[in-house]
Amino acid sequence: QSALTQPPSASGSPGQSVTISCTGTSSDIGTYNYVSWYQQHPGKAPKLMIFAVTERPSGVPDRFSGFKSGNTASLTVSGLQAEDEADYFCSSYAGNSKGVFGGGTKLTVL
Amino acid sequence: QVQLVESGGGEVQPGTSLRLSCVASGFNFRSYGFHWVRQAPGKGLEWVAVILPDGITKSYADSMRGRLTVSRDNSKGTVFLQLSSVRAEDTARYYCARDGTAWELLPPWGPGTMVTVAS
Repeated sequence: QSALTQPPSASGSPGQSVTISCTGTSSDIGTYNYVSWYQQHPGKAPKLMIFAVTERPSGVPDRFSGFKSGNTASLTVSGLQAEDEADYFCSSYAGNSKGVFGGGTKLTVL
Repeated sequence: QVQLVESGGGEVQPGTSLRLSCVASGFNFRSYGFHWVRQAPGKGLEWVAVILPDGITKSYADSMRGRLTVSRDNSKGTVFLQLSSVRAEDTARYYCARDGTAWELLPPWGPGTMVTVAS
């Protein structure tokens, strides 16, 4: 149950696209299509942005998209907006009714 | 509307136990499993535990196994997390959230309850 690996930071200018990676193992991301992504603004609780690798909850803009290949998942934010600046965490099911999170990526909108 | 509110945090001494509560409303409580997740100050999220709708199936983070007990009271719409032998590294904000169909933690999360372990 080791933490998933995310880059500590990412950045992009308004209107650009940025992709955040999340690397796990064959015991979590590589086996299960149960990858989700959470956005967290300072002082706030996390908010679900993507689940089941590619699905968006209602209310989440279609600028947010998810993808998975092998042991690595990714979150792409297109058409960056100032309000997208936040911390982003990936999560995966890891078998045996256990979960694991990534260390988080701080997204800066330049 | 769906609402989760955690409580039970505060400042506790090392080696003691505490019980956190998560009161839920606005949905069919019995139909959902619940996760506990924690976040140390300035750090990332850490999955802690889950209890499924049957109240029998429970699972805990390996790093904290043996010190955690998760339970639920369907009559009160409340989920509990008991943490024993607390250590400084247990200092964190503890959140509860509903379990979705694909191991996602459904919105909205509660505001969390802060636990500070200090002597």
